[in-house]
Amino acid sequence: DVQLLESGGGLVQPGESLRLSCVASGFTFSNYGMTWVRQAPGKGLEWVSVISGNGGGTYYADSVKGRFTISRDNSKNTLHLQMNSLRAEDTAVYYCAKDQCYSTSCPDYWGRGTLVTVSS
Amino acid sequence: QPVLTQPTSLSASPGASARFTCTLRSGINLGTYKIYWYQQKAGSPPRYLLRYQSNSDKQQGSGVPSRFSGSEDASTNAGLLLISGLQSEDEADYYCAIWFSTAWVFGGGTKLTVL
Repeated sequence: DVQLLESGGGLVQPGESLRLSCVASGFTFSNYGMTWVRQAPGKGLEWVSVISGNGGGTYYADSVKGRFTISRDNSKNTLHLQMNSLRAEDTAVYYCAKDQCYSTSCPDYWGRGTLVTVSS
Repeated sequence: QPVLTQPTSLSASPGASARFTCTLRSGINLGTYKIYWYQQKAGSPPRYLLRYQSNSDKQQGSGVPSRFSGSEDASTNAGLLLISGLQSEDEADYYCAIWFSTAWVFGGGTKLTVL
């Protein structure tokens, strides 16, 4: 079974950084793109970023471009999201998702999410 | 105008059918895109339901019952999610999404109430 387990969320102050991780199992990690999606409290889903199976291709939402960096370690089946210069509007549950596709987002399995709260 | 537009809410009775629409912005050709549908119950992560581009290019998510199906309405440039034989457990938010240009775009979601 596909399993995705996010970690690294927490409470930070505006301007600080946080690094999220997602450990994957149950599939050949390097064969699939991986996506981060977030959901602010009471709001809809918002795409954040995607990385290709070999890590060579990435895309970002305009709202996080230049502040967030997606990466992956295929030897450890782990996806990361480095979040810098955090803002209050980044407060959300962050989900990692396995993509059906190799280099673009098309999620078919989701983790349970990790909560990031940005507040002073 | 958003890339994808979904009605905010939908109500239907147990046993009835529900029809969700996901309207693509004018100028975006429905037939060019694979539309993905997700279900999200309160307090849970999204669940992949299905993908639909055409009758010959569609996919059901793992373990998703056949009473969930995809379709299209070319006259309104909309992708459709159809649920037959509604059950109380179907009450949830439903999102559509496409890969558009260089981004994955979600619709705003439709909240289904089964009453």
